[in-house]
Amino acid sequence: DIQMTQSPSSVSASVGDRVTITCRASQDISHWLAWYQQKPGKAPKLLIYSASSLQRGVPSRFSGSGSGTDFTLTINSLQPEDFATYYCQQADSFPKTFGGGTKVDIK
Amino acid sequence: EVQVVQSGAEVKKPGESLKISCKGSGYSFISYWIGWVRQKPGNGLEWMGMIYPGDSDTKFSPSFQDHVTFSADKSTSTASLQWSSLKASDTAIYYCARMSYDGNYLDSWGQGTLVTVSA
Repeated sequence: DIQMTQSPSSVSASVGDRVTITCRASQDISHWLAWYQQKPGKAPKLLIYSASSLQRGVPSRFSGSGSGTDFTLTINSLQPEDFATYYCQQADSFPKTFGGGTKVDIK
Repeated sequence: EVQVVQSGAEVKKPGESLKISCKGSGYSFISYWIGWVRQKPGNGLEWMGMIYPGDSDTKFSPSFQDHVTFSADKSTSTASLQWSSLKASDTAIYYCARMSYDGNYLDSWGQGTLVTVSA
């Protein structure tokens, strides 16, 4: 199985901050990567697919980059509704493994 | 509008069987994979596998292959996840989601079904 490692596991930030989360794959996954947001008690929501494509309806302050083994999710100008846990997921091969998650909370 | 609606919470005893459901609407149910994801209390997301309702082709994570069954009923646009003998360690929230047309990403999620297994 491909292992997905996210860092940091948690980050404290303020409204208006820029937050960067990284995800590293244990082998080359090209651009086959997604990012999801999960708020407490809710189902996850797809934010970014194919490493850098913004899902319809997702605010443009979210962006994704990277290819191969190293990927980044950036949230520009953090908003109150962005405090949540973020997961990466590889879609290169089965099983389509998730990273361990990064919790973004209020500083 | 695409909607994915899951069945309600369940409380079962170890050794009992269970089938939970996931109904898709607002799109061609037979043309998109349905993925299943487990989330144990306080933990992250685990990809279990997926089923293609058009022909019931399935793909499993090795971690789940011998313990659960996926099925799909085209006539009711409903996918299901089934256990024949539950364990306490199956206690979790189970999410289903429609996958993107290329079968790679989970783009429309159900609300989740909490399964509690306790003696």
